Amino acid sequence: EPEVTQTPSHQVTQMGQEVILRCVPISNHLYFYWYRQILGQKVEFLVSFYNNEISEKSEIFDDQFSVERPDGSNFTLKIRSTKLEDSAMYFCASRRASGGGPNEQFFGPGTRLTVL
Amino acid sequence: GQSLEQPSEVTAVEGAIVQINCTYQTSGFYGLSWYQQHDGGAPTFLSYNGLDGLEETGRFSSFLSRSDSYGYLLLQELQMKDSASYFCAVRWDSSYKLIFGSGTRLLVRP
Repeated sequence: EPEVTQTPSHQVTQMGQEVILRCVPISNHLYFYWYRQILGQKVEFLVSFYNNEISEKSEIFDDQFSVERPDGSNFTLKIRSTKLEDSAMYFCASRRASGGGPNEQFFGPGTRLTVL
Repeated sequence: GQSLEQPSEVTAVEGAIVQINCTYQTSGFYGLSWYQQHDGGAPTFLSYNGLDGLEETGRFSSFLSRSDSYGYLLLQELQMKDSASYFCAVRWDSSYKLIFGSGTRLLVRP
């Protein structure tokens, strides 16, 4: 069964450093998302991406964040200058365009980001 | 603004039935989804209600009342492996982005 993959599974970085979190969505999906979950809290929407551009972003997704689909398979989230409060689990998700289950988002296993 | 309310924790015994409620107040609403998350794992889709009524998928059912801004997830024939956190999530607008509740931690006891 196809699945969303994410690398790395755990990233430790120093405050102020740049990090890039990588995702490979399911191949026939066209809509991509990043969410984050601070330990013990709810999942929070960051950004949605379609047709090579951001379709929507939350107030969390400030100028320090950017997303990119550099090729036909990868979808990346970059944090330019990490802050302590960026420490969280980051989930990538993807969705079919239409057909069965357009409302189902498939989540990757997550990248745990720890900012020291 | 948006807010979703669900109980923080529920305990039930193996083989029993449990209902997890979710009430929402959102400026936009297209539908209500339910996701399961085991500790350290990714959210996994369980069900979606776009219209009022009951949706059944095996041991899990989900219900929505748009007029009451209320939904629930019903888990039948509970198994130990059902111990997890369950999140309701509103599909807020046409973008399909999800606004998650705080989650209900379900503990299934033998």
